[in-house]
Amino acid sequence: DTEVTQTPKHLVMGMTNKKSLKCEQHMGHRAMYWYKQKAKKPPELMFVYSYEKLSINESVPSRFSPECPNSSLLNLHLHALQPEDSALYLCASSQDWRAGATYEQYFGPGTRLTVT
Amino acid sequence: AQTVTQSQPEMSVQEAETVTLSCTYDTSESDYYLFWYKQPPSRQMILVIRQEAYKQQNATENRFSVNFQKAAKSFSLKISDSQLGDAAMYFCAYRSYNNNDMRFGAGTRLTVKP
Repeated sequence: DTEVTQTPKHLVMGMTNKKSLKCEQHMGHRAMYWYKQKAKKPPELMFVYSYEKLSINESVPSRFSPECPNSSLLNLHLHALQPEDSALYLCASSQDWRAGATYEQYFGPGTRLTVT
Repeated sequence: AQTVTQSQPEMSVQEAETVTLSCTYDTSESDYYLFWYKQPPSRQMILVIRQEAYKQQNATENRFSVNFQKAAKSFSLKISDSQLGDAAMYFCAYRSYNNNDMRFGAGTRLTVKP
């Protein structure tokens, strides 16, 4: 099983709403990632979790709050978003996050987020 | 910081023909990893091929091969016998040896004509 699942597939929310994106993998991977991808642009790294601990936060605004409840699950909590936050949010996982190894990242299908 | 440049926003190839996608990168590191990812219209990104910088031999995966020129900091992808299913956005990506922070190029949209 090399699948990363993401729910929901689509999400429309107002600027005052609170919502969450969910990502799940059952490959035993210990590193999980959130990326933001605007239309016709490459993915941009937001957060990296390694062994359920936040390892990288790429200066993401506090209205995005990641959470890693266990090694299989990654959430992204959204609050008071702006219209410019509308994008495809991709989750990925890899076996580990250490120097010196080509750990392939497996991507989920993404959540298409629209902020109105 | 490392940067990845894909100078071809769009490419087109006839079915069964060969196409080469270009990628250059800028780095001061000697050890690193390079990847080509494919993102079809359904949006799920999948790994096409990877190359470790310390390996001189170019990586190949069936119809996909790379031309890795370390001194020139060039990493092109060759797709042989192109198929309709190869139509997608292709991203070149760089990953430092010391972490798993991956940097993507802007992408090349490949169209395959029947």
